Amino acid sequence: AQSVTQLGSHVSVSEGALVLLRCNYSSSVPPYLFWYVQYPNQGLQLLLKYTSAATLVKGINGFEAEFKKSETSFHLTKPSAHMSDAAEYFCAVTITHSGGSYIPTFGRGTSLIVHP
Amino acid sequence: DTEVTQTPKHLVMGMTNKKSLKCEQHMGHRAMYWYKQKAKKPPELMFVYSYEKLSINESVPSRFSPECPNSSLLNLHLHALQPEDSALYLCASSPSEGRGQSPLHFGNGTRLTVT
Repeated sequence: AQSVTQLGSHVSVSEGALVLLRCNYSSSVPPYLFWYVQYPNQGLQLLLKYTSAATLVKGINGFEAEFKKSETSFHLTKPSAHMSDAAEYFCAVTITHSGGSYIPTFGRGTSLIVHP
Repeated sequence: DTEVTQTPKHLVMGMTNKKSLKCEQHMGHRAMYWYKQKAKKPPELMFVYSYEKLSINESVPSRFSPECPNSSLLNLHLHALQPEDSALYLCASSPSEGRGQSPLHFGNGTRLTVT
């Protein structure tokens, strides 16, 4: 069964430092993978998605993620953190529902804290 | 600006009340979703509508009743809720259920408090 695991419920970085949020997936078939961001009191917003076209995926706000099949990983990175990046980040994978539909399932989320 | 609009933003209701949450999208999407999200938790799927027909019900209690009047609108009717139903209710849409390669577009949610 497809699933994602996000390592670390909280990640704390200084402004200007590298951001690394970890996501590992489990899937017996090539997965569709997504990263979403949720700012306080808002819904989720798509950062980027992997649909097998390219292993290095660039998203909005300077974020990117690399699909590594050998490591079953899809970690999210940003070279330099900004205060405005403080938010909750969710990794998601498409799973096959029991009824045959395809729906996303979310990791537990990682809270990114950015210090001045 | 979100392309999925949810109203109201906040709702406080008693356990005997009947209320409705509304969701609207004008992107021509044919799949619409209701999620429930508790604080510091990921969204949990409740219902999926595909081409205006209910395709997934994740064993949600009958006090939650979804309705899809047309391809742009999605309602969630609430009746006799419990305090533990207090949460952020998110609506989302996608072009179709397809094979799951399309991302979801989320609204900003309705913050529901049941007293």
